[in-house]
Amino acid sequence: QSVLTQPPSASGTPEQRVTISCSGSSSSIGSYSVSWYQQLPGTAPKLLIYGNNQRPSGVPDRFSGSKSGTSASLAISGLRSEDEADYYCAAWDGSLRGWVFGGGTKLTVL
Amino acid sequence: EVQVVESGGGLVQPGGSLRLSCAASGFTFSSYWMSWVRQAPGKGLEWVANIKQDGSEKYYVDSVKGRFTISRDNAKNSLFLQMNSLRAEDTAVYYCVRQLGGTGDYWGQGTLVTVSS
Repeated sequence: QSVLTQPPSASGTPEQRVTISCSGSSSSIGSYSVSWYQQLPGTAPKLLIYGNNQRPSGVPDRFSGSKSGTSASLAISGLRSEDEADYYCAAWDGSLRGWVFGGGTKLTVL
Repeated sequence: EVQVVESGGGLVQPGGSLRLSCAASGFTFSSYWMSWVRQAPGKGLEWVANIKQDGSEKYYVDSVKGRFTISRDNAKNSLFLQMNSLRAEDTAVYYCVRQLGGTGDYWGQGTLVTVSS
């Protein structure tokens, strides 16, 4: 069981907007910034969002992140078929003294 | 170009040992925390261990404490994970990850460790 909680699946049609939630605790998301990772089938994870809402260069602005209290969200607008992937949230946990991940959300583009 | 390349994975019997290596290039290795993150087949990501720039601080997930040891050689731009007393549940792809704050900003392609008799 993962320390951060994500829905196991999400779906949307092309051009639609979807959001993926990530719930943590006061010692994780409540105290530290959240990052999001995209894992395409058969590949290594790739950084998508850092510092709760910052995009690395090269990541389209269709991807956005937010955080409030002990929860965070990833939003994908203008959904495209190539967005079909697994998405993971992560944050440092001060109580566990470790980096914790959500269980991952499999996004399907219908 | 930032690159981290893992090696050392393979098939090992339960109770055996394996040493993973990660060769870093394209950045000042000694300036970054580094982590190992693993992914069991068909499962999610799990952080395993990380190490401070000078090796003075190391942290581990509870399930590997006392069995795994993370280390680094800044002169050789290399990160290591010594894995002893391996169990079937350690079977996973192991990723070497550069840390920037609480973020893993560069990930290797991973090396597969299979623990089976």
